[in-house]
Amino acid sequence: NAGVTQTPKFRILKIGQSMTLQCTQDMNHNYMYWYRQDPGMGLKLIYYSVGAGITDKGEVPNGYNVSRSTTEDFPLRLELAAPSQTSVYFCASARSQTNTEAFFGQGTRLTVV
Amino acid sequence: AQSVSQHNHHVILSEAASLELGCNYSYGGTVNLFWYVQYPGQHLQLLLKYFSGDPLVKGIKGFEAEFIKSKFSFNLRKPSVQWSDTAEYFCAVNAGNTGKLIFGQGTTLQVKP
Repeated sequence: NAGVTQTPKFRILKIGQSMTLQCTQDMNHNYMYWYRQDPGMGLKLIYYSVGAGITDKGEVPNGYNVSRSTTEDFPLRLELAAPSQTSVYFCASARSQTNTEAFFGQGTRLTVV
Repeated sequence: AQSVSQHNHHVILSEAASLELGCNYSYGGTVNLFWYVQYPGQHLQLLLKYFSGDPLVKGIKGFEAEFIKSKFSFNLRKPSVQWSDTAEYFCAVNAGNTGKLIFGQGTTLQVKP
């Protein structure tokens, strides 16, 4: 059972470039999340989704976009990369609204130069 | 908006010392509460969770937490820490069963052998 899988694990982007961080889960979870983790700041919620076709902003959505066309996949898009987006990104999933025990992917370390 | 506050940012203990990490949240209704641990270079793993019932919950590796509704708190405790407990600890809250899962800033625990 793979759980939550994120790709890539590492990426270096130049300022202004675009990329998509991939996230897929095989647990048939309804809820999916994207967080960024910066030293001393904890995890900040970027976007989350309560099911296919439904997404909502989290605490720090600016500069990012998401889509949820299937239950399994929840990609995060960076359109114009900026140095402030250098961070470690974690995708997570949870079963339902009343059971939000989150299962995390291994993370993507992104550097924007 | 819901928020989570962890009071201790960096804690240093000797082995066998007792541990208590504070967590407070700002939401007056129903909450799901979690503590996660992140070992160096790894993703987050669940330590324990509270959904309802007994406010004293026990988790893995000898950790426990107490939900005190009147104080909006969910403090993490361990009677005797080990060197292997060196990690970062995160408190998280799903307020109002919205599915929106918010994390605190994290507490870095360093246990000296």
